[in-house]
Amino acid sequence: AQSVTQLDSQVPVFEEAPVELRCNYSSSVSVYLFWYVQYPNQGLQLLLKYLSGSTLVKGINGFEAEFNKSQTSFHLRKPSVHISDTAEYFCAVKVNTGFQKLVFGTGTRLLVSP
Amino acid sequence: NAGVMQNPRHLVRRRGQEARLRCSPMKGHSHVYWYRQLPEEGLKFMVYLQKENIIDESGMPKERFSAEFPKEGPSILRIQQVVRGDSAAYFCASSPAPGGEQYFGPGTRLTVT
Repeated sequence: AQSVTQLDSQVPVFEEAPVELRCNYSSSVSVYLFWYVQYPNQGLQLLLKYLSGSTLVKGINGFEAEFNKSQTSFHLRKPSVHISDTAEYFCAVKVNTGFQKLVFGTGTRLLVSP
Repeated sequence: NAGVMQNPRHLVRRRGQEARLRCSPMKGHSHVYWYRQLPEEGLKFMVYLQKENIIDESGMPKERFSAEFPKEGPSILRIQQVVRGDSAAYFCASSPAPGGEQYFGPGTRLTVT
């Protein structure tokens, strides 16, 4: 079975500062990796995904993530955050064969203050 | 192209009543997934359906919960005899093909009083 760990439940940061949201996963088979963002009272929006190829993945809104197979990590980064980035961020995995369900972490709340 | 639609957006039910949550997938999508988000938790997979078929229901509680995706019309998640612990946000996602990117709806927030 797969599992996802997001150790930081909340990350406070000042506007224009860099941020890293951590994600570690566990799986005995190859997986696809995703980051989603959830704004208050809204659904999830895909930020970026890793399927194969280059381990550095660029997404929307200036976010990027790096897949590290040896450390089983997929940390999300942004060099300079905006107030509008305040939201909940979820890391998720999906096995690349057969089963279609996404397995989510518990989420990290990013709080950007002026 | 309209996104995934869910209704109602908010639903209040008393204990023991039934809750019906609807999900209309994106146009051209025939694969639907239901997830539940309990307060302060991540989303948990419940069920995966294709038109008229349940493909994977490994995340569905054994009792009171059922799902369908008929040939015509939206997918329905039905919860019978709701209890307070059913209070959560229920999200639907759709994809055009198996393994395709899942597009999420805005969710239905169920409150059981």
